[in-house]
Amino acid sequence: ILNVEQSPQSLHVQEGDSTNFTCSFPSSNFYALHWYRWETAKSPEALFVMTLNGDEKKKGRISATLNTKEGYSYLYIKGSQPEDSATYLCAFLWQQGAQKLVFGQGTRLTINP
Amino acid sequence: DVKVTQSSRYLVKRTGEKVFLECVQDMDHENMFWYRQDPGLGLRLIYFSYDVKMKEKGDIPEGYSVSREKKERFSLILESASTNQTSMYLCASSATPGQSIAKNIQYFGAGTRLSVL
Repeated sequence: ILNVEQSPQSLHVQEGDSTNFTCSFPSSNFYALHWYRWETAKSPEALFVMTLNGDEKKKGRISATLNTKEGYSYLYIKGSQPEDSATYLCAFLWQQGAQKLVFGQGTRLTINP
Repeated sequence: DVKVTQSSRYLVKRTGEKVFLECVQDMDHENMFWYRQDPGLGLRLIYFSYDVKMKEKGDIPEGYSVSREKKERFSLILESASTNQTSMYLCASSATPGQSIAKNIQYFGAGTRLSVL
């Protein structure tokens, strides 16, 4: 059974502070790692698709890194804003062509003004 | 923009009822998925379909069935709803990647919060 773990499960951060959280996944049979942001009452939306060891992706104040050899990815948010409040999901794609993502349980981020 | 539409945002049903959750996507995607999301458990795959009339079981298919008669529509069926099927249900679609890994991205509907009483 494939296991994708995210930590912490929830996080409260003061506005303006930077934060990061972790996604751990199996290091074998790696194909891709996805990050999604899920705001309350909205649909989850893709942030990043990462495929190569050492990948770094950035979108505005949010960035992510990938280590496929040790099986982890970090998501960083710089200078948190209230609109960053959401649940952040990582998902592991383990079989090329099968299209099935295995999701972690998510990190629920709340930014306190 | 890709749009995935789920027929209902909120649904209340009684134990034993047959329940249909409908999902429609407008981007001609080959793959469609049904997930349920429960607190502390993340998204768990119920069923997915990679083509019309094709389906595969996900991690938690028990108590559910699916139908994909047309490419754009993927239905989740609860044959006899039970209280342990109270959950948030999410539909998603994606294209077959071909040359581009970015096509693995899944596009989600807004979810249906189902309560079974």
